Amino acid sequence: QAVLTQPSSLSASPGASASLTCTLRSGINVDTYMIYWFQQKPGSPPQFLLNYRSDSDKKQGSGVPSRFSGSKDVSANAGILLISGLQSEDEADYYCMMWHSSTWEFGGGTKLTVL
Amino acid sequence: QVQLVQSGAEVKKPGASVKVSCKASGYTFTSYDINWVRQATGQGLEWLGWMDPESGNTGYARKFQGRVTMTRDTSINTAYMELSSLKSDDTAVYYCARNPSLTGDFEYWGQGALVTVSS
Repeated sequence: QAVLTQPSSLSASPGASASLTCTLRSGINVDTYMIYWFQQKPGSPPQFLLNYRSDSDKKQGSGVPSRFSGSKDVSANAGILLISGLQSEDEADYYCMMWHSSTWEFGGGTKLTVL
Repeated sequence: QVQLVQSGAEVKKPGASVKVSCKASGYTFTSYDINWVRQATGQGLEWLGWMDPESGNTGYARKFQGRVTMTRDTSINTAYMELSSLKSDDTAVYYCARNPSLTGDFEYWGQGALVTVSS
């Protein structure tokens, strides 16, 4: 079972909000981990969006709009990337990442469609 | 401005080795780690390992241990990733990325280098 699991796709309307989940494998508790989020558009390398451990321990990537934010759902054992006020330019693949057992683990990615 | 410029596309035969370079500019090369991540066409991101350019210390993903070697030349601010015993499923775009040590803030990425393994 993968360390990080993301839904393969998500669709949302312009102006709406999208909540992208990144679920940790059973036995790995999200509450203490820093979760990183990246955006990737076709033909380009990934772009660092933000990291999130807690409301007091987080970082926004340089130039990343505040409508991108991180959180956690401890009950679901998941990290969350929330994108509010969706724009067409937000259509992309989104990856989560964490450090576990001396390895940077990536989720499989979520393809976000804005339509 | 910070830039990571990678070497060009390569075509290799199965069993061969490939060495990809990543030339850094716009910052102090030895002050940030370099990580290597690959992506097969239409697939997700896969981490290969990291290197501290100051010390030369490295850490590799278990899957690639014994096949990957990360080195650097501090005189020319360049990091290298060599992958040996290539197989067809090593065909991918290989990226280098810079991060502060002990964080996953991969804030700067190279443009990627396509490695094709084909007989």
